[in-house]
Amino acid sequence: EAGVTQFPSHSVIEKGQTVTLRCDPISGHDNLYWYRRVMGKEIKFLLHFVKESKQDESGMPNNRFLAERTGGTYSTLKVQPAELEDSGVYFCASSQVRYEQYFGPGTRLTVT
Amino acid sequence: GDSVTQMEGPVTLSEEAFLTINCTYTATGYPSLFWYVQYPGEGLQLLLKATKADDKGSNKGFEATYRKETTSFHLEKGSVQVSDSAVYFCALMWGGTYKYIFGTGTRLKVLA
Repeated sequence: EAGVTQFPSHSVIEKGQTVTLRCDPISGHDNLYWYRRVMGKEIKFLLHFVKESKQDESGMPNNRFLAERTGGTYSTLKVQPAELEDSGVYFCASSQVRYEQYFGPGTRLTVT
Repeated sequence: GDSVTQMEGPVTLSEEAFLTINCTYTATGYPSLFWYVQYPGEGLQLLLKATKADDKGSNKGFEATYRKETTSFHLEKGSVQVSDSAVYFCALMWGGTYKYIFGTGTRLKVLA
């Protein structure tokens, strides 16, 4: 069974540019999550989808971040325009049940 | 707000040594508690969990006991192996929610 995959693994962009991160969850998982780890700090929740609907987006930092989940399958997280403080590792996770979330390897975003 | 505090790393041990990674939480009430592990180049994996006070979670030789008196969930292993080298994350989750609150992670290095 394929795990959660994320693309790209690493992205380097300049301040003011746009970046789109992609996540492919485990097949059959209705729940999809985005988390972010900044500068070796704690991993913080961004948002939660159930199928294509946003269930909880309380962790989204501001309106420069836009998450979508097309047809309840893969998800994208767009940052536009990117700022220096957006640098970090963005994790995607998926699950069938609450407690056991399966995480992808993350996308390392560097904004210069 | 709720938070999870872990001991700073890296923790460096020799093979077969005893491991303890401290984790305490701040929360009003009794959330469920978790340990996740991230091996190099991979996503986070659920290692063990405890959903109520005094429960002990265990997996792959690792154990942690939910201590409400000390609001702690310390991770222990009697004899570590080189293959246990990874980053360990302590986390909590409230009933009715789907989002983890993570600690900052503790890197473990086990030397042969």
